[in-house]
Amino acid sequence: AQTVTQSQPEMSVQEAETVTLSCTYDTSESNYYLFWYKQPPSRQMILVIRQEAYKQQNATENRFSVNFQKAAKSFSLKISDSQLGDTAMYFCAFISGNTPLVFGKGTRLSVIA
Amino acid sequence: DTEVTQTPKHLVMGMTNKKSLKCEQHMGHRAMYWYKQKAKKPPELMFVYSYEKLSINESVPSRFSPECPNSSLLNLHLHALQPEDSALYLCASSQEGTGKTYEQYFGPGTRLTVT
Repeated sequence: AQTVTQSQPEMSVQEAETVTLSCTYDTSESNYYLFWYKQPPSRQMILVIRQEAYKQQNATENRFSVNFQKAAKSFSLKISDSQLGDTAMYFCAFISGNTPLVFGKGTRLSVIA
Repeated sequence: DTEVTQTPKHLVMGMTNKKSLKCEQHMGHRAMYWYKQKAKKPPELMFVYSYEKLSINESVPSRFSPECPNSSLLNLHLHALQPEDSALYLCASSQEGTGKTYEQYFGPGTRLTVT
């Protein structure tokens, strides 16, 4: 079974600083996608960024970027210039052709003014 | 447009009631999902519909009954629930379903309280 591990239950960062959220996964499959989802206190789950396993280039979306290390099965999220609106629960997730979406336990990020 | 809508936003029901949760998307997606989420936990998959057919049922109790009337609509019928069923129920959709790796888009959820 595929597993996704987020080892940081909670993190905090000062406004305008940079923070990195960690995620590791375990799979024997070669074709899969990885995602980071954000769930603010308002509870709507929002897709932040996606990475295809076959792509070597790390995905970026504005202030959000990933460090995808396929051999190490690591998929960390970097948030640059943190804003108060980034305060949320962040879930790392994995999906493959044989596996429905699997979530990690989440990291609660607090951005402090 | 990546919007998935859910109604109602909040629902309080007794253990003998029958109620339904509704989900709608107009993105032309052919797969729709129901998740249950407890506080401070990740979503747990309940059901997957692919091309309007139930493709995955994650051993969900029969007091939860899904229905997919058409490719844009997904219902979850609730009957004889227990207090431990109180949770946030999330609907999601994706371009295609089982066997595909498309990203899922989530609705805002229905906060269900069973008294």
